[in-house]
Amino acid sequence: GESVGLHLPTLSVQEGDNSIINCAYSNSASDYFIWYKQESGKGPQFIIDIRSNMDKRQGQRVTVLLNKTVKHLSLQIAATQPGDSAVYFCAETSYGNNRLAFGKGNQVVVIP
Amino acid sequence: GAVVSQHPSWVICKSGTSVKIECRSLDFQATTMFWYRQFPKQSLMLMATSNEGSKATYEQGVEKDKFLINHASLTLSTLTVTSAHPEDSSFYICSARTGTGKETQYFGPGTRLLVL
Repeated sequence: GESVGLHLPTLSVQEGDNSIINCAYSNSASDYFIWYKQESGKGPQFIIDIRSNMDKRQGQRVTVLLNKTVKHLSLQIAATQPGDSAVYFCAETSYGNNRLAFGKGNQVVVIP
Repeated sequence: GAVVSQHPSWVICKSGTSVKIECRSLDFQATTMFWYRQFPKQSLMLMATSNEGSKATYEQGVEKDKFLINHASLTLSTLTVTSAHPEDSSFYICSARTGTGKETQYFGPGTRLLVL
């Protein structure tokens, strides 16, 4: 059922600074990872992905780092902008697996 | 590319009525679509996986007779919430994959359901 009073981990960042969002994933068999951005009242939006044969991948203003040894994933946003304010979810899966397993989400609040 | 739409974006209905939500892949064919439910400040909960032309696979605890899923074409899946009650009020989101072996899911904008 619905839970009341939940608070997401929140990262407050000054506009123009870099943001780092962390995610610990659970399944050592996962070999594909995705970061999604979800703005209030909208569906998740694909940001960047990475496969397990890589430890770093860069996009436009975003970088994903993967540390398989400790099952840790991070998303770095360079020069954070007000439009980056959202909840960010990591998701993991493996080749041939239908399901994406989502992390709990991290709220990013950009202070102008 | 990989655009997914949902309709309606929000709906208010009376308790006991049924509500249908449509999910469409606009610029690709989706052999597999997914339906999620999301409560405020929580992550996405997978409800069911829908494959074109076959019965949906429901997650444990999700009533298949309550949440009817139809995936009649490669671009359309529907979720019908039957005999809706206030506890069914939630944010329903669909997603689609662009092809077999493609793990990335692209999400629709979501449908806010409020049952009075």
